[in-house]
Parts: sequence; structure tokens; C-alpha cells
Amino acid sequence: EAGVAQSPRYKIIEKRQSVAFWCNPISGHATLYWYQQILGQGPKLLIQFQNNGVVDDSQLPKDRFSAERLKGVDSTLKIQPAKLEDSAVYLCASSLVTTGGTYEQYFGPGTRLTVT
Amino acid sequence: DAKTTQPNSMESNEEEPVHLPCNHSTISGTDYIHWYRQLPSQGPEYVIHGLTSNVNNRMASLAIAEDRKSSTLILHRATLRDAAVYYCILSTNAGKSTFGDGTTLTVKP
Repeated sequence: EAGVAQSPRYKIIEKRQSVAFWCNPISGHATLYWYQQILGQGPKLLIQFQNNGVVDDSQLPKDRFSAERLKGVDSTLKIQPAKLEDSAVYLCASSLVTTGGTYEQYFGPGTRLTVT
Repeated sequence: DAKTTQPNSMESNEEEPVHLPCNHSTISGTDYIHWYRQLPSQGPEYVIHGLTSNVNNRMASLAIAEDRKSSTLILHRATLRDAAVYYCILSTNAGKSTFGDGTTLTVKP
């Protein structure tokens, strides 16, 4: 079974530039998550999709971050414009179901973003 | 969101058991306890989960206190490949879970 795919793996941009990350979840997984992980901290949930609907985006900085999940499969996360504090690893995860609390999240390798 | 508390770091000797504690005093009756670990430069990976009873799988064991306010992840024989950050999180019925900063496990040869 193929895992969660993310691209690019690394990205370096200057502040005020735009950047986009792509995620392809495990086939059949209805739920997709985007996390931000700053060095030395645990992952912080930015947005959670159930199929192509948003379940939770309470911690997404909506003035600069946006995300979409077209057709309930692939997803893109965009930052426009980037700030220095956006330097982090952006992790995508997927799970089969989210009801009942027993769901296991499968994580991709992440995209390391450096904003200079 | 229900929160968990873990020690920042722990050390273990290779081939010895490791007990990683987690406190979750505000856990609700339907929250599941999940453990993930994150190896360097990788995304987190699932380790184990449980609700009330102790659980075992090929990677580890999970011991859950009777009042469910704490749990312990047990690695029976630590290897150098077990050096990672271990996260204890609560997964709610509504599909929400929050990661803390985890415990960094160092395994000494």
C-alpha cells in the first residue's frame, strides 16, 4: 500500500513570496490533515478535511494560508505571502475514518520550508 | 481540547525496558489514548492506541490506569532505532486530536 505522498520535500523562498505544497493521501482515506511543525515542537493542526469539506480550520491563519481538497482526494496548502515565522515542516496526514476515536493517522514525510 | 502532559526527555540503555509516562487528567469517557513516535527527519508514525484495557502489539504495550487519567507506553527492549520523540495524544469521538511536544527518548548503547 502506497503511503502519503508530499511534494516538494524542501523549499526555500524569500519573505513575501508565495509557496504551495501538495499532498496525495492513501487511497480510500476520507480524512486529510495538514500540520505545521516548528523545530522542537509537536505538530500543530492547521486544517482537517473530511472528503472535500472542512472539519476544522480554527488554527489556520486565514489571512495568508489557504487549503483546498479537490474531489476529496489530493490537497494543496498555499501560503501567500510568506513570513519568516512560517519556516517549519508542513506535514500531511490521512486517516480512513475519524468517528469513534480509533482512527490511525498516516503521515507523509513532510515539506521543509525555509523563509529567508 | 483535552491535553496531555509528558516529560520533555528520557534516557534508556539499549536492550532494557522503557516506560514512557503520560498524564491526561481531563480525558473524557469516549477519548481514545494514542501514541505516535517521530524518528529524525520523518513524519510521525502510529505506535498503539487504547481506551480502557491494556493493549499489546508488535511495537509496544500500552498500560492504562484504572481511572484513565494516565497511561504508560512500554518498549520491552529498547534498541537504538527506538530513539525518537514519542507523542501521547487523545483522539475524540468527533475526530479531533492535539499533539503536545512529546518526550524525546535517547537510547544509549
